[in-house]
Parts: sequence; structure tokens; C-alpha cells
Amino acid sequence: QKEVEQNSGPLSVPEGAIASLNCTYSDRGSQSFFWYRQYSGKSPELIMFIYSNGDKEDGRFTAQLNKASQYVSLLIRDSQPSDSATYLCAVMKAQKLVFGQGTRLTINP
Amino acid sequence: NAGVTQTPKFRILKIGQSMTLQCTQDMNHNYMYWYRQDPGMGLKLIYYSVGAGITDKGEVPNGYNVSRSTTEDFPLRLELAAPSQTSVYFCASSFTSGRAKETQYFGPGTRLLVL
Repeated sequence: QKEVEQNSGPLSVPEGAIASLNCTYSDRGSQSFFWYRQYSGKSPELIMFIYSNGDKEDGRFTAQLNKASQYVSLLIRDSQPSDSATYLCAVMKAQKLVFGQGTRLTINP
Repeated sequence: NAGVTQTPKFRILKIGQSMTLQCTQDMNHNYMYWYRQDPGMGLKLIYYSVGAGITDKGEVPNGYNVSRSTTEDFPLRLELAAPSQTSVYFCASSFTSGRAKETQYFGPGTRLLVL
């Protein structure tokens, strides 16, 4: 079992809809969770981090964490073509980030 | 601030050659990291450093070496390049205290092709 798992996609969503990205992790003791966005040929950039169970909202982005079920998700509301990218889920383990393989998201105009 | 800078941007190596990937940060971060990213995959940690003079192995250290003589610089050395080291290499850095140290800032990457 991979430490951090994501559906590689591609996930195709129409413009203006909600994009939902999911991630599961294996270490029940994990405390910190991150979502990075990576455009093709570019470096990852942090979108959000979440530490506590529940939802955390930042503009059009909402991160959701359920530690009991060991999953973290990212919702993107009012999806825009500029949201088309690969989204990487990362979990902090022993002060090191462990990344999932990423989900490629395409927003269709 | 330039943030995290990496050189070169792209390099072609022949099998058995060696090279050093440079990484510099100007944010006074103590923590620095080297990752590799293969096509369609996430990032895998090669080496990391919690401060000058201190380095430790990550998930995939074989074939690589690092040094950290200053806070700013964290070069990655490839000895005897192999085709399996064809990848994109990212350097990152982060703060040192509290939860803030968990937010990593990435450089633009070095694309390496070993033929």
C-alpha cells in the first residue's frame, strides 16, 4: 500500500463546476496535510494546508480532512480553465513530506 | 527575494559522467530538500538538510551525494550518471520553527537527461 494515494486521472470538469480531488494516506499518526498545484513544466506551489478535522476554506478552494477515514480532499468551486494542472497531495511524516502521484485536472471551457 | 534558485535548467549527461546541481535560497531557511520527479509521478525525497553541516538521506539517495556548507547553498552531486537518473530535480526550502517549517518553497527545477 502506498503511503499517499491519489487517482491519477485525468479528471475532466466543465468550467464553472466543482472539481473534487481526493487523497488517502496510510499513516494514522499523520498530522499535517498539504495540497500543491503544479502546472506542466513548472514547480509545485502550495495551495492549502490543513491540520484539523473538518473543512478549511480559502477563496474558491476548500480542503477537507477526515482523520478517522484517513482521507483528505480538495474542492475547487467555480472551476476556471486556469485551474487545469496536476494537484499533488502531500502528508508530513517525520518532518518530511510524502507526496502522492498527483491528479491531473482539466477544466473544459 | 529571489526565493529558491536552481542551475542549470536543463542538462544532458552521458552515462558515467558526473555533475553538480546547484540550489541556493535567500530566505534564510534552515531546512532544505532535494526531490526528483519522474514523468507522471509525485516527488520523491533524495536528501534533506536541517542546517549547515547536517544532511540526511531521504527515500531514494542511491547515486547521489549532498553537502551543506552554508545556510544558503545545498548542491546535489551525481556520480556516475545512469539512465535511471533521468528526471526533473527540485530543490525546496522551509522555515525552521513551529508549523511554519512544514511549508516548503520550491525552486524552478533542473531537467536532467542521461543518455
